[in-house]
Amino acid sequence: DQQVKQNSPSLSVQEGRISILNCDYTNSMFDYFLWYKKYPAEGPTFLISISSIKDKNEDGRFTVFLNKSAKHLSLHIVPSQPGDSAVYFCAATPRGSNYKLTFGKGTLLTVNP
Amino acid sequence: DTAVSQTPKYLVTQMGNDKSIKCEQNLGHDTMYWYKQDSKKFLKIMFSYNNKELIINETVPNRFSPKSPDKAHLNLHINSLELGDSAVYFCASSQEGLVRSGNTIYFGEGSWLTVV
Repeated sequence: DQQVKQNSPSLSVQEGRISILNCDYTNSMFDYFLWYKKYPAEGPTFLISISSIKDKNEDGRFTVFLNKSAKHLSLHIVPSQPGDSAVYFCAATPRGSNYKLTFGKGTLLTVNP
Repeated sequence: DTAVSQTPKYLVTQMGNDKSIKCEQNLGHDTMYWYKQDSKKFLKIMFSYNNKELIINETVPNRFSPKSPDKAHLNLHINSLELGDSAVYFCASSQEGLVRSGNTIYFGEGSWLTVV
C-alpha cells in the first residue's frame, strides 16, 4: 500500500529550465512533507520541507508547493543545473508521529547541459 | 568528518549466515534509525531508537535485531540471512525525533547487502 506516490520514475530537463517533480499521497493524517535528494552510492540528504499549514515554502532555487485538497505536492527547481541530477524522494510524516517518515519511490532527475 | 557512518559499505554473504552492520553518528543526536531500500527502490523504516529505547519496530522479522549500546550507536544484527534480505540498509539520526521543529534526518551512505 503506497501512501506516498511518485508516479514519474524519471525526468529529463535542459540546464537553466524549470524542473517540476510531483508527489501524491493518500494518508490524510500526513501533516509534514519533505524532499530528499540522493546521489548514487550516497545516503539521501534533506532538501526542503513544508508543513500542512502552508501551501508554499521556498529556499533559493527550490520551492515546494502543497495542495492539501488534492493531496499533492511538487518540487520546483529553477533554474536547473547539471549538479541537480539525482534521485529525488518525497517523504511524509503523520500527525502525532515524530519518528516515522514514509518515502515515495523516487524520481530520477537528469539535467542536461 | 562523516556525520553518520556505517560499516561495512558492501557485504556479500551466503544464505543462513549471521551478519552485523554497525552505525555511529557524531552529531550528538538522540534518535537513530534503520531504513531499508529494497529492489523496488522503496525506502522503508525498520527501527527507530530514541535515547537507546526502541520507539518503532515496523513489522520486521525477528531475525533482525537492532542494538543501541549508547545514543551514538545503533547496530543491526541479522540472523539466518535469506535471499530477500538483499537490499541497501541506511542508518540515520535526528535530534528529538522529527522535523516539525526544524530538525531533519541525516542518513549514512548505506550498506549494500547481497545474500547469495
